[in-house]
Amino acid sequence: EVQLVESGGGFVQPGGSLRLSCAASGFAFSSYWMQWVRQAPGKGLVWVSRINSDGIITNYADSVKGRFTISRDNAKNTVYLQVNSLRAEDTAVYYCVAGPFDFWGQGTKVTVSS
Amino acid sequence: DIQMTQSPSSLSASVGDGVTITCRASQGIGSDLGWYQQKPGRAPERLIYAVSSLQSGVPSRFSGSGSGTEFTLTINSLQPEDFATYYCLQHNNYPYTFGQGTKLEIK
Repeated sequence: EVQLVESGGGFVQPGGSLRLSCAASGFAFSSYWMQWVRQAPGKGLVWVSRINSDGIITNYADSVKGRFTISRDNAKNTVYLQVNSLRAEDTAVYYCVAGPFDFWGQGTKVTVSS
Repeated sequence: DIQMTQSPSSLSASVGDGVTITCRASQGIGSDLGWYQQKPGRAPERLIYAVSSLQSGVPSRFSGSGSGTEFTLTINSLQPEDFATYYCLQHNNYPYTFGQGTKLEIK
């Protein structure tokens, strides 16, 4: 059974940082591109970032470029999203997604507020 | 960026009805189009991939069609569990983009 389990979300003040993690199991993780997608409260889905299977290629939405960093550890079947310089508009549920949006985790909530 | 214009934004229907949701892309996206269902408090789940391929385990009352820049999701004979929000997604070019969503409500 495919599982994607996110963690690391929480409450943080503007300007703060968090490291989101996504532990994968049940599929050939090291062969898959991985993505992060977020959803602000009551809003739609927004693609945030992606990383290729060996971690060499990364891409970001303009809204997070320079503040967020995606990475992966294929030995641990885990993908990360380092989120820095957080703003109120980064408040959202962050979903980890495998492949061309095949499998989704249940999400981890990030709240940015003073 | 490729814009995905989804319509309608909301839809009211009865159990047993059929409905159609449309997504228009601002440029061609080949077959890199999927449809997702999301229920409140839950992660999205894929219904359709590659325009018209049914995700394993998804009922056959769901179908997808289209080409080029115009795509549709059709749900035949609505069941109570189908009332949810639906999104299209293009993953042909990054930044990947979702439609704005269609909230399907019970009439």
